[in-house]
Amino acid sequence: GAGVSQSPRYKVAKRGQDVALRCDPISGHVSLFWYQQALGQGPEFLTYFQNEAQLDKSGLPSDRFFAERPEGSVSTLKIQRTQQEDSAVYLCASSLARGTGEAFGSGTQLSVL
Amino acid sequence: GQQLNQSPQSMFIQEGEDVSMNCTSSSIFNTWLWYKQEPGEGPVLLIALYKAGELTSNGRLTAQFGITRKDSFLNISASIPSDVGIYFCAGQLDADGLTFGKGTHLIIQP
Repeated sequence: GAGVSQSPRYKVAKRGQDVALRCDPISGHVSLFWYQQALGQGPEFLTYFQNEAQLDKSGLPSDRFFAERPEGSVSTLKIQRTQQEDSAVYLCASSLARGTGEAFGSGTQLSVL
Repeated sequence: GQQLNQSPQSMFIQEGEDVSMNCTSSSIFNTWLWYKQEPGEGPVLLIALYKAGELTSNGRLTAQFGITRKDSFLNISASIPSDVGIYFCAGQLDADGLTFGKGTHLIIQP
């Protein structure tokens, strides 16, 4: 596709539910990033993949957060046993190579009730 | 972790005015980036800076990568209504994720 695609666009979950957020990066982009953006804040780094390898997961806030990119293309961010503080916009970004600037998707807005 | 201080937090300007915003960091970056975000959308890359001292323009936008590698500024000349949005600076050290500032809200008064 022409840009980074994320689905669903909106997700409402009851506290304790598991959710899965999908990201389709730009075709051919090697690097893929996940960010969390709380209301009124800048995005905060969660995790980074180069192809299928997860090279950095230092930003994941707890072990309830898990990300995968098994074939080096589509990625899924999974949040288990969601909590209200998980409510945020989750942004996915991809880039062709290191340091070339990242292209962002429109995000998934997660609301945990 | 690294922190980026972005200022001002918000700007209320008249159409046609020039705008200036900046970012400072407690540690160095190898890449500085400026993004614009509109409601309900992801950030869109405006300018990327890869070298200390670099000054780069993109239409009415000009950005500079500070010599110390700890700061950057973005200028917008002759603002127009579609410039409204939130502008974020972001720093990157190597191939790691970006560190973002908290954003500058640009509001243009008619």
